Amino acid sequence: QKEVEQDPGPLSVPEGAIVSLNCTYSNSAFQYFMWYRQYSRKGPELLMYTYSSGNKEDGRFTAQVDKSSKYISLFIRDSQPSDSATYLCAMNNQGGKLIFGQGTELSVKP
Amino acid sequence: DTGVSQDPRHKITKRGQNVTFRCDPISEHNRLYWYRQTLGQGPEFLTYFQNEAQLEKSRLLSDRFSAERPKGSFSTLEIQRTEQGDSAMYLCASSSTRASTDTQYFGPGTRLTVL
Repeated sequence: QKEVEQDPGPLSVPEGAIVSLNCTYSNSAFQYFMWYRQYSRKGPELLMYTYSSGNKEDGRFTAQVDKSSKYISLFIRDSQPSDSATYLCAMNNQGGKLIFGQGTELSVKP
Repeated sequence: DTGVSQDPRHKITKRGQNVTFRCDPISEHNRLYWYRQTLGQGPEFLTYFQNEAQLEKSRLLSDRFSAERPKGSFSTLEIQRTEQGDSAMYLCASSSTRASTDTQYFGPGTRLTVL
């Protein structure tokens, strides 16, 4: 079993929809949680960075961490076609290597 | 600052050949990471450096793989006697332990194809 599980999708939504992306993990030592966006054949781009449990909002993006359930989420409001990409969750405990999920492929249709 | 850069962006080689990739981190970032990503998967950790010191290596990093960061700035990743299974995107990331968050920023990657 992988340390971080993420539904690979693909997920297809109409423009303007609210998108919910999720990951579960097994290692309770993880403290830092990140969401990266990756366009085809490009490097991952950091979207959100959160520490421990709680919510963090940045524009149309909201990241949630529930350490008691070992569950993290990324919400995208008012989704745009330009949001079409693969979304990767990643986490670690005290810096150092990141453990990534498989990535969820998102397509936002105009 | 232009971010993390990697060279080459694409490399096609024949099985059995050696290849070397270069990564230039964000200036003044003291940590540098290498990851490998295959199609449809998330990046997998290979190794990382803090300054010149190689602090951790994954078991994925077989003895055919070697990484260096001789002056604590750029890094090279060499693969000897390449195999078709080495075909992947090789990603470099950097971070600073002196920043408020030890956030890793990725380069564009080097796509390796082994024929």
